[in-house]
Amino acid sequence: SQTIHQWPATLVQPVGSPLSLECTVEGTSNPNLYWYRQAAGRGLQLLFYSVGIGQISSEVPQNLSASRPQDRQFILSSKKLLLSDSGFYLCAWDQLGGNEQFFGPGTRLTVL
Amino acid sequence: SQQGEEDPQALSIQEGENATMNCSYKTSINNLQWYRQNSGRGLVHLILIRSNEREKHSGRLRVTLDTSKKSSSLLITASRAADTASYFCATDADSNSGYALNFGKGTSLLVTP
Repeated sequence: SQTIHQWPATLVQPVGSPLSLECTVEGTSNPNLYWYRQAAGRGLQLLFYSVGIGQISSEVPQNLSASRPQDRQFILSSKKLLLSDSGFYLCAWDQLGGNEQFFGPGTRLTVL
Repeated sequence: SQQGEEDPQALSIQEGENATMNCSYKTSINNLQWYRQNSGRGLVHLILIRSNEREKHSGRLRVTLDTSKKSSSLLITASRAADTASYFCATDADSNSGYALNFGKGTSLLVTP
């Protein structure tokens, strides 16, 4: 069966510090991978998606970046965090775009 | 961009009652999905309805889709306290995002014993 992992679960970082969030998927190959951010009481905002290794599409201009060094690994990074980067970050995958997505448990990021 | 918009934003009912949530969207879709999110957790897929379907059932869930009105509804019958969660609709239509889904802001459902 397929599983998706995210870590860390929670993170408190000072403004200006770097960020690295990791997402890995098990039990499937060549998945589409997605990073979403969810602000408090809001819906999900798509940040990045990837259809293959090294292929990253960005949805919104920001100080975040994403990388996919391996087929089932998706990393969200920042060189310098802003207060506005606080939120709940969710990684998801699917096998066939536009259909059911499977979400990780999320990372709660607080930037102080 | 967020295409789906859920209504109401918040809903409070008692156990045993039915809960109805609505979703409206703007452009043509291939399918529409509903997800559930418990507080502080990831989203869990509930049901997918295709554009050529009008109604779909899954256990206590009933989803309708009206493509002429660009709207969908999620009905949870005989609600339980464990149904307390946020519910999101998601559509697959957005040419800028390729495969990605567009989620609404969600309806927060509270079911009290």
